[in-house]
Amino acid sequence: GNSVTQMEGPVTLSEEAFLTINCTYTATGYPSLFWYVQYPGEGLQLLLKATKADDKGSNKGFEATYRKETTSFHLEKGSVQVSDSAVYFCALSGGGSQGNLIFGKGTKLSVKP
Amino acid sequence: DSGVTQTPKHLITATGQRVTLRCSPRSGDLSVYWYQQSLDQGLQFLIHYYNGEERAKGNILERFSAQQFPDLHSELNLSSLELGDSALYFCASSARGQGLNTQYFGPGTRLTVL
Repeated sequence: GNSVTQMEGPVTLSEEAFLTINCTYTATGYPSLFWYVQYPGEGLQLLLKATKADDKGSNKGFEATYRKETTSFHLEKGSVQVSDSAVYFCALSGGGSQGNLIFGKGTKLSVKP
Repeated sequence: DSGVTQTPKHLITATGQRVTLRCSPRSGDLSVYWYQQSLDQGLQFLIHYYNGEERAKGNILERFSAQQFPDLHSELNLSSLELGDSALYFCASSARGQGLNTQYFGPGTRLTVL
């Protein structure tokens, strides 16, 4: 079945460091890929998404490219801020009417000033 | 603010009891999804409703059930509660039920079973 594997955390970075959180997936068909972020005590917010191969999603300085050949959707940001501290979830949804999300286990990011 | 509301925010109850969690989707959204977030299982899909009809089931226990009403709000009923049911329960809504549609999450209901 479909699944998502993302790097385990926690990840601790200094402010202005470069961030990469790896995410790979297994899926049949043509899934859509998502990154969600969960700040402490809050629900999940969509960070970015890509719906087909080679699409690049971007938002708030974060980027991820849908790579079908490597089945990956790695999250990157050139310069992290303390306010980026949160848990990041990679997710996929199946094609067609299979709209439910399948999540990775989440990666906790802590950014120190 | 995602536009999805969930009540109550917190719920504390005892084993064997029954509770109902409520979700109101964003205005105009026809799909409601329920997810469970726990430390050991992570985020797991429970069930999906589209315009009042059950569309898909995930890892939902038989003790759990859900429904979506004509006004599109949804309720998740959890019965014969066990300690292991303690978790955060999220609902999410989307315009339709397709995979490429963005899901917007509510703030969650934290259930504690004592």
